[in-house]
Amino acid sequence: AQSVTQLDSHVSVSEGTPVLLRCNYSSSYSPSLFWYVQHPNKGLQLLLKYTSAATLVKGINGFEAEFKKSETSFHLTKPSAHMSDAAEYFCVVRGEYGNKLVFGAGTILRVKS
Amino acid sequence: EAGVAQSPRYKIIEKRQSVAFWCNPISGHATLYWYQQILGQGPKLLIQFQNNGVVDDSQLPKDRFSAERLKGVDSTLKIQPAKLEDSAVYLCASSSIAGGLGEQFFGPGTRLTVL
Repeated sequence: AQSVTQLDSHVSVSEGTPVLLRCNYSSSYSPSLFWYVQHPNKGLQLLLKYTSAATLVKGINGFEAEFKKSETSFHLTKPSAHMSDAAEYFCVVRGEYGNKLVFGAGTILRVKS
Repeated sequence: EAGVAQSPRYKIIEKRQSVAFWCNPISGHATLYWYQQILGQGPKLLIQFQNNGVVDDSQLPKDRFSAERLKGVDSTLKIQPAKLEDSAVYLCASSSIAGGLGEQFFGPGTRLTVL
């Protein structure tokens, strides 16, 4: 079965410094992977997705992620953090059947001024 | 376009009571999903509809949870009777591509507290 592991439950960075949120996946076939963001009291929003095209995926708000099959990783990065990036981020893999999404436990990103 | 609508946004009930949540997907979206998000965890799929048919309800606790999408548009999720461990945010999502492989758009969720 498909699964994802987010390696950090909390990450704290200073405004203007790089962001790295780590995710490893487990899949019996070439996976579709996503990163979603959840701001307080708001719905989940898709940041970016990987569906077996380019391994470096660019998303909204300056985020990007790199699919590394050899490391079974799909880490999310951003060169410079903004205060508005403070939120919870979920790494997600599409399930084997239909369009079921399997979420990681989430990483809470804190941005310090 | 209007997003996924859910109501109520918050609900507090006592254990053994019943509760219902409502979801209106984005217009034209054939696939609708209900997820349960327990505090500190990622969302977990409870049930997936394609139009008014159930595609996947393997993780729905059917002894107490039920869901319907009678006309293939809006949907209700019911819990009867509620248990303390049902306290969670219930998220509704919808997607548009036939076969349900499109991007899922999420509503704001309903936060349920069971006392």
